[in-house]
Amino acid sequence: TQLLEQSPQFLSIQEGENLTVYCNSSSVFSSLQWYRQEPGEGPVLLVTVVTGGEVKKLKRLTFQFGDARKDSSLHITAAQTGDTGLYLCAGRRAGGTSYGKLTFGQGTILTVHP
Amino acid sequence: DAGITQSPRHKVTETGTPVTLRCHQTENHRYMYWYRQDPGHGLRLIHYSYGVKDTDKGEVSDGYSVSRSKTEDFLLTLESATSSQTSVYFCAISEVGYTEAFFGQGTRLTVV
Repeated sequence: TQLLEQSPQFLSIQEGENLTVYCNSSSVFSSLQWYRQEPGEGPVLLVTVVTGGEVKKLKRLTFQFGDARKDSSLHITAAQTGDTGLYLCAGRRAGGTSYGKLTFGQGTILTVHP
Repeated sequence: DAGITQSPRHKVTETGTPVTLRCHQTENHRYMYWYRQDPGHGLRLIHYSYGVKDTDKGEVSDGYSVSRSKTEDFLLTLESATSSQTSVYFCAISEVGYTEAFFGQGTRLTVV
């Protein structure tokens, strides 16, 4: 069982549709990050959220951190074919001795069809 | 691009042989991580380091050991490789706090 549960694992949509990806946990995180990964490459950071209830926007992407800092969501408006890729959430636990430990969810493979 | 290099990039090895993967950084970041990536599992943390000679286990540490004798190098060793360790391995670095993790290009390891 992974600490961060991401859903859905696969998402196949048409260009122009909206979508939401969820990242849930029973643990509290000091910060939550979203990464995007292209085939053959390492993940690249999209955003970091730190405060409970925080909302950040990156063009058509909206990221939210849950009030209790246990969950997060990524919403894409009017998806484009260029959004196709693997999306990963990652978190650093709050408190304890493993402060720098960064754990990832299972990832969501998004395919946007023209 | 962050200065992080993994070597080798590809390796095929036989079951039961020892294997060492190397991660080298030029950023002087405090934290270094080793992950493995398999279909349906995202990135799973194997071990991480928070300073020279300071390491801790991740979620899937069995069968792996690590060493960090210098800030810039983090080695991952499979003492006796098994087929279940066939995977893509990523090294990452980050500074303290909520900062971004930068990833290497990955090492594709096949154990036959």
